[in-house]
Amino acid sequence: EAQVTQNPRYLITVTGKKLTVTCSQNMNHEYMSWYRQDPGLGLRQIYYSMNVEVTDKGDVPEGYKVSRKEKRNFPLILESPSPNQTSLYFCASRTGASNEQFFGPGTRLTVL
Amino acid sequence: KQEVTQIPAALSVPEGENLVLNCSFTDSAIYNLQWFRQDPGKGLTSLLLIQSSQREQTSGRLNASLDKSSGRSTLYIAASQPGDSATYLCAVYSGAGSYQLTFGKGTKLSVIP
Repeated sequence: EAQVTQNPRYLITVTGKKLTVTCSQNMNHEYMSWYRQDPGLGLRQIYYSMNVEVTDKGDVPEGYKVSRKEKRNFPLILESPSPNQTSLYFCASRTGASNEQFFGPGTRLTVL
Repeated sequence: KQEVTQIPAALSVPEGENLVLNCSFTDSAIYNLQWFRQDPGKGLTSLLLIQSSQREQTSGRLNASLDKSSGRSTLYIAASQPGDSATYLCAVYSGAGSYQLTFGKGTKLSVIP
């Protein structure tokens, strides 16, 4: 089944403790992105990647890092999480042909 | 910078009614427009994708139209059902060479049995 998977689905952590949220897609898509969704603010893009080893900042990159060492994986790294990073995070992928985006199920992160 | 607005923010209709959700965008230089559905606490499900060269797309009871010149798209849902209750999001890809996808804040639809 074609899908985007994220792990973990739920995470509660404390300020300053480094964490990684994994994202993987099995559709051989070139492009992958990370978004966060907050009440009243909607979905905002954090980082995106056009292909292996090619990444760029979205609208709200501060406090986040990404890497794209393999085509299928695009992990999101929070080196020193803070409470304002409490949010619902989505990973997405798409082909270059149609631009249709496919989203993962989301990761609900709480930083205490 | 592209801005996407969805009106209304919330909508409640009785089962069986036809309804229209609206999406407007400020920069008409878009690559495509995509409508999503989001159920509470869940991810986004793609409903329809309209390329910039197209005027509409249909899937079952859903029909989405695109008018680039006026910066507007509508999502028409025919014969609404309680299972259609969800938040509907509009998103546009815009900017030459850009990979920026800009979302509206969504319309929360409730279909009353």
